Amino acid sequence: TAGITQAPTSQILAAGRSMTLRCTQDMRHNAMYWYRQDLGLGLRLIHYSNTAGTTGKGEVPDGYSVSRANTDDFPLTLASAVPSQTSVYFCASSRLAGGRSTGELFFGEGSRLTVL
Amino acid sequence: GQNIDQPTEMTATEGAIVQINCTYQTSGFNGLFWYQQHAGEAPTFLSYNVLDGLEEKGRFSSFLSRSKGYSYLLLKELQMKDSASYLCAVEDSNYQLIWGAGTKLIIKP
Repeated sequence: TAGITQAPTSQILAAGRSMTLRCTQDMRHNAMYWYRQDLGLGLRLIHYSNTAGTTGKGEVPDGYSVSRANTDDFPLTLASAVPSQTSVYFCASSRLAGGRSTGELFFGEGSRLTVL
Repeated sequence: GQNIDQPTEMTATEGAIVQINCTYQTSGFNGLFWYQQHAGEAPTFLSYNVLDGLEEKGRFSSFLSRSKGYSYLLLKELQMKDSASYLCAVEDSNYQLIWGAGTKLIIKP
């Protein structure tokens, strides 16, 4: 069972360049999320989507954009990368029941991004 | 503001018991989660508490006191494979997860 697939697993990017991190799930979950994880900090939500066609801003959305054209895919784009965006990025999904999340998240394996 | 506190690092011995604490201050409460994250890997779900009390699942148990804003994860019969970070997360009134920075657990033989 694939679950959630992220690509690339690792990338080095020059500052000012654009980059799209891909995320695909095969569990037919309604909700999808993008988090960044930095040493000494908790996971921080960048953007989320409760259902196809809708997206919302999380705690740290600046410099990032997302789209949700269908249930399975939720790409994250950095339009003009900066060194502070060096991080490990996790895509996650969850089922939504009655308009609320059931809470349990299923994570992809992560994408390690270094911006120089 | 919203805050989740847990110790940065703990060390325990193989075969022993360890308790990892988590205190929280959030805008509302809809449940508390514990996740396990091995180094270089994705977090995986361990437990969910929404009512006060102890939830047991094999070698792992999780406790919640909503009045005290407090939870702990109890790991028994520690194995080397339990070496990992343990993340505490609270679902707030908007059903968003607020995450602690995680507790790195080191198991020594």
